[in-house]
Amino acid sequence: AQSVTQPDIHITVSEGASLELRCNYSYGATPYLFWYVQSPGQGLQLLLKYFSGDTLVQGIKGFEAEFKRSQSSFNLRKPSVHWSDAAEYFCAVGGKGSQGNLIFGKGTKLSVKP
Amino acid sequence: DVKVTQSSRYLVKRTGEKVFLECVQDMDHENMFWYRQDPGLGLRLIYFSYDVKMKEKGDIPEGYSVSREKKERFSLILESASTNQTSMYLCASSFLGLASRREQYFGPGTRLTVT
Repeated sequence: AQSVTQPDIHITVSEGASLELRCNYSYGATPYLFWYVQSPGQGLQLLLKYFSGDTLVQGIKGFEAEFKRSQSSFNLRKPSVHWSDAAEYFCAVGGKGSQGNLIFGKGTKLSVKP
Repeated sequence: DVKVTQSSRYLVKRTGEKVFLECVQDMDHENMFWYRQDPGLGLRLIYFSYDVKMKEKGDIPEGYSVSREKKERFSLILESASTNQTSMYLCASSFLGLASRREQYFGPGTRLTVT
């Protein structure tokens, strides 16, 4: 079955510290992968996406993610977290054969300590 | 910039009322989606549409219907609202064609409370 797992429900990091949010997927075909961010009371904003090519992708707000096919993972990273990064983060997977449906993980809530 | 707008940010309705949630996108996207979001459950797909007058059930269509009469507009209808439909509702849209352009763009959400 197709699925996305975000193992961490809630993570707290100190401002200035590095961040890694985990995402594992199960998908039968070649996956297309996305990370979204949601600030409280808002819709989701696309951070970055992977379709093909370089497995390290850069996104907005200083985020990057690395696609590792052998581990079925697409982890999100940021070298230095800012207080404004506090939000909920969602990983999603889609595929070439689909009509555009995405499967979303349940999200990881990030808190940032001053 | 892609813009997806939803008719209301907050809505309070009574049990049994018929509720309409409207979504409009301005990027000529073929696909449109309705999700509900609940704490701990993430986003769950209610319905989606890949063309005018076309609709497909998602994971939790019970108690909901949809309408797409124009390409830019996708409506979610709660025929008889119930308290268990209290939730955040998110609309999204995307291209259908080239897979590399299939990221979904989201509206700001409608927080619906049914009392």
